[in-house]
Amino acid sequence: TQLLEQSPQFLSIQEGENLTVYCNSSSVFSSLQWYRQEPGEGPVLLVTVVTGGEVKKLKRLTFQFGDARKDSSLHITAAQTGDTGLYLCAVATMKTSYDKVIFGPGTSLSVIP
Amino acid sequence: GAGVSQSPSNKVTEKGKDVELRCDPISGHTALYWYRQSLGQGLEFLIYFQGNSAPDKSGLPSDRFSAERTGGSVSTLTIQRTQQEDSAVYLCASSLGRVSTDTQYFGPGTRLTVL
Repeated sequence: TQLLEQSPQFLSIQEGENLTVYCNSSSVFSSLQWYRQEPGEGPVLLVTVVTGGEVKKLKRLTFQFGDARKDSSLHITAAQTGDTGLYLCAVATMKTSYDKVIFGPGTSLSVIP
Repeated sequence: GAGVSQSPSNKVTEKGKDVELRCDPISGHTALYWYRQSLGQGLEFLIYFQGNSAPDKSGLPSDRFSAERTGGSVSTLTIQRTQQEDSAVYLCASSLGRVSTDTQYFGPGTRLTVL
């Protein structure tokens, strides 16, 4: 059983459409991060959310942390081909001596011109 | 400034051979992570370094995998007697290592193919 679930696994949309992807868990987290990974590159951090109910905007991307801090969503308005990539959510889980970061399986987004 | 670099970018090897993958983190970053990513999948944690020590090796799949970090900087991941199931992209990341929410900066990865 994975700590984090992401849905959908794959998404293919036309340029200009809106979309929402989700990151869910049964556990509560102190913070959650979203990364985007383009083909052939490593993931790049987009945002960190720390407060239940928090909403952050990054240009056409809107991130929301659930009130209970168990889930998060990423909404993209008017998708562009440059938004194509793998979207990963990640959380820190308390270990004995440090907070270990766990990544979800990702949502692979393809934006078609 | 320079980001995280990894070498080689691609490695093709025969089953049973040993391989070494290298990671150069961002200067001053005390935390270093290795991950493995199969085609189109999420990141599988392998090992975490704080300085030269590895408090968490729990993600290493078998005793064929080992990693070291010297001088609090460069790290090498060694896979002995490679198997076909070891084929994947191996990613390295570094961070300031102060708190868990410190941004992890990733390298471009090494694509390993075991024939």
